[in-house]
Amino acid sequence: EAQVTQNPRYLITVTGKKLTVTCSQNMNHEYMSWYRQDPGLGLRQIYYSMNVEVTDKGDVPEGYKVSRKEKRNFPLILESPSPNQTSLYFCASSLGGPSNYGYTFGSGTRLTVV
Amino acid sequence: AQSVTQLGSHVSVSEGALVLLRCNYSSSVPPYLFWYVQYPNQGLQLLLKYTSAATLVKGINGFEAEFKKSETSFHLTKPSAHMSDAAEYFCAVSQNPGTASKLTFGTGTRLQVTL
Repeated sequence: EAQVTQNPRYLITVTGKKLTVTCSQNMNHEYMSWYRQDPGLGLRQIYYSMNVEVTDKGDVPEGYKVSRKEKRNFPLILESPSPNQTSLYFCASSLGGPSNYGYTFGSGTRLTVV
Repeated sequence: AQSVTQLGSHVSVSEGALVLLRCNYSSSVPPYLFWYVQYPNQGLQLLLKYTSAATLVKGINGFEAEFKKSETSFHLTKPSAHMSDAAEYFCAVSQNPGTASKLTFGTGTRLQVTL
């Protein structure tokens, strides 16, 4: 089944403890992206990647890192999480850019930082 | 810069009634426009997209949207609501094609369907 898989689905962590949220897609998509969803703010893009080793900042990149060493994987790294990063995170992928092909979204990771 | 505004964070309709979810966009060039739906505890799914072909776009589950350039609108409609349509709906806009594209999402409209 074609899908984007995120892990974990739920995570509670403490301030300052480094964490990684994994994202993997099995559709050979070039384009991948991370969004965070907050009530009243919709989805805001954190980082995106147009291909292997090509990443760029979205609208809210502060406090996050990403890497794209392989086409299928696009992990999101929080080196020193803070409570304002408590949010619902989505990974998404697209064959050749979301304008032409739309996104396939993962099921989300609900992160709580205490 | 591109942006979308969704009027009404919550909309409630009766089962069988018309669904109308409003979206207005701002774009300096002809836009690509999208509607996505998010069911509880799930990721977003693409409902439909406008990419400068027909102005009336039909999507899945009986939804459609009409692109009106003069009104800068892309409202989502469905003639008859079902209970299963209860979800959150997001409008999104992009200005660029291809791998340079970036989608900007609205703040969402939660649709409630009552008996």
